[in-house]
Amino acid sequence: GENVEQHPSTLSVQEGDSAVIKCTYSDSASNYFPWYKQELGKRPQLIIDIRSNVGEKKDQRIAVTLNKTAKHFSLHITETQPEDSAVYFCAASKPGGYNKLIFGAGTRLAVHP
Amino acid sequence: DAMVIQNPRYQVTQFGKPVTLSCSQTLNHNVMYWYQQKSSQAPKLLFHYYDKDFNNEADTPDNFQSRRPNTSFCFLDIRSPGLGDAAMYLCATSRGWPNNEQFFGPGTRLTVL
Repeated sequence: GENVEQHPSTLSVQEGDSAVIKCTYSDSASNYFPWYKQELGKRPQLIIDIRSNVGEKKDQRIAVTLNKTAKHFSLHITETQPEDSAVYFCAASKPGGYNKLIFGAGTRLAVHP
Repeated sequence: DAMVIQNPRYQVTQFGKPVTLSCSQTLNHNVMYWYQQKSSQAPKLLFHYYDKDFNNEADTPDNFQSRRPNTSFCFLDIRSPGLGDAAMYLCATSRGWPNNEQFFGPGTRLTVL
């Protein structure tokens, strides 16, 4: 079945540095790739998403890139701040019906002041 | 504000005592999902409703059932909770393909004594 691998599982950076989280998906039919941020005890919140007809998308300090050939997509956070500390989940979804999300295992990001 | 609401936010039950968790939405979305999330893990899809059509994930235990009496409400019933069912239960909604985005509720944290 569909599988999404996410790396690294933990990431520690200094405030102001960049952070990159990478995901690989197995099903070439996947065409929607969201990234969720989950703070401790809170709901997952969508921070950015990308569709397979686009190679890159940016929203202020956050960007996502997609390489369909390699079946990779990555989250880039620039100028990290302590409030970026959270668990980040990537996911992949195929077209049709009920939009089942296949999640990666998550990356715990710690931004140190 | 349109939103996904879950009640209660915290639920304590005893081993084997049935429990019902509630989700409501004001988004008028077609699809409602129930996820189980254990500590430090990705959300795991239990089942979903697309309108009135119910779909179980293959590995969802029979102990878990769901009801959707109308568009706005969806319930998760755990018939005989075991210690292993202690988790955060997340409800989410989406319009359905091609509108992929899933909106998560705040979750219900279930403790089993």
